Amino acid sequence: GEDVEQSLFLSVREGDSSVINCTYTDSSSTYLYWYKQEPGAGLQLLTYIFSNMDMKQDQRLTVLLNKKDKHLSLRIADTQTGDSAIYFCADLEREEYGGATNKLIFGTGTLLAVQP
Amino acid sequence: NAGVTQTPKFQVLKTGQSMTLQCAQDMNHNSMYWYRQDPGMGLRLIYYSASEGTTDKGEVPNGYNVSRLNKREFSLRLESAAPSQTSVYFCASSEEGNAYEQYFGPGTRLTVT
Repeated sequence: GEDVEQSLFLSVREGDSSVINCTYTDSSSTYLYWYKQEPGAGLQLLTYIFSNMDMKQDQRLTVLLNKKDKHLSLRIADTQTGDSAIYFCADLEREEYGGATNKLIFGTGTLLAVQP
Repeated sequence: NAGVTQTPKFQVLKTGQSMTLQCAQDMNHNSMYWYRQDPGMGLRLIYYSASEGTTDKGEVPNGYNVSRLNKREFSLRLESAAPSQTSVYFCASSEEGNAYEQYFGPGTRLTVT
């Protein structure tokens, strides 16, 4: 099956930029997502990128996609202590037979620790 | 509009006991999912339902059963709980289009002793 990999931990100082990296194996990937999970909570979609895009910017968030290397990154500018959380990269595995099936393949998550 | 709700929030079971985790969504989504989250392993798909009346196995279905009761509700049943099923369980739902975004519930933290 397809696989998504992330580093487990990243520590940054408040005000610095954070870059969280992800690699995936799916050659036919269509959508890739970044989810955020705060302690004790469910997952919240931060942003996504369609596979025909190289970059997507949304306020402090910048997503870069390198399809050739199957590499996705999430940059958070001016990182705040409220950004401390686990960040998950996910790949959409879409199948269409009879009815569409959409499954997410998640990475292990990267714990972002922001030091004041 | 509550989104995706899950009950209970916490549960402790003894080995061999059974229980059902409940999930409901009020967004009229066709697809619903059950995941488990374990440290260092991300989220793994247990079962999913692409539409009312259909269910399919995901990556880790052993030891679980599901029921898509209607379009709103998707339950997960542990018939004979084992310590290996200690985990946090998340339900999610999604719609066709709109980047197929999945919306997650707050989770159920299950401990099997």
